[in-house]
Amino acid sequence: DTAVSQTPKYLVTQMGNDKSIKCEQNLGHDTMYWYKQDSKKFLKIMFSYNNKELIINETVPNRFSPKSPDKAHLNLHINSLELGDSAVYFCASSPKNMNTEAFFGQGTRLTVV
Amino acid sequence: GENVEQHPSTLSVQEGDSAVIKCTYSDSASNYFPWYKQELGKRPQLIIDIRSNVGEKKDQRIAVTLNKTAKHFSLHITETQPEDSAVYFCAASSNFNKFYFGSGTKLNVKP
Repeated sequence: DTAVSQTPKYLVTQMGNDKSIKCEQNLGHDTMYWYKQDSKKFLKIMFSYNNKELIINETVPNRFSPKSPDKAHLNLHINSLELGDSAVYFCASSPKNMNTEAFFGQGTRLTVV
Repeated sequence: GENVEQHPSTLSVQEGDSAVIKCTYSDSASNYFPWYKQELGKRPQLIIDIRSNVGEKKDQRIAVTLNKTAKHFSLHITETQPEDSAVYFCAASSNFNKFYFGSGTKLNVKP
């Protein structure tokens, strides 16, 4: 029944590793996002995809690579993890170009040690 | 790109008092302004939103006002309750679903 679901909820990994976070939405939305929330609670947009096409890339290091196999999924792959990547990552979705509510997933707390 | 500023960063009120959170934005193309509430360890959830063709919107104890000329909008919570304690985010978005969030306000309602 969950509208936007992310896995895993928690992820602890060592520096230098590569990891992925998966996101799926069952709302039929065309637009999906990844946001990063740091320890100070800033919610910063990283990427936005519209029907599998990248429309926003907010100067995120190229160690971060989003992949959208279809419009219901937007996964985030991170290479060579660094300590500063530790944060909560939120996936979200909204209808295309309708300027309405963005629905958030429950977040993935990534801790790099 | 859009720049959204939010004040204050923390706000402590007594139960029953009102709370006001203010945001400004920079992009005149922004036309949708949602407010999200994030409880500890939870996801942000929409509590109220306003579009650029409206100056004020109210839903029970919460209201939002928008001044497009001055590029600022505010959230008003009346008769605050302890369960209102959370982090509140304002956001601005243009026609292409580019949501940009403010830095958040941690509201603490003291019983």
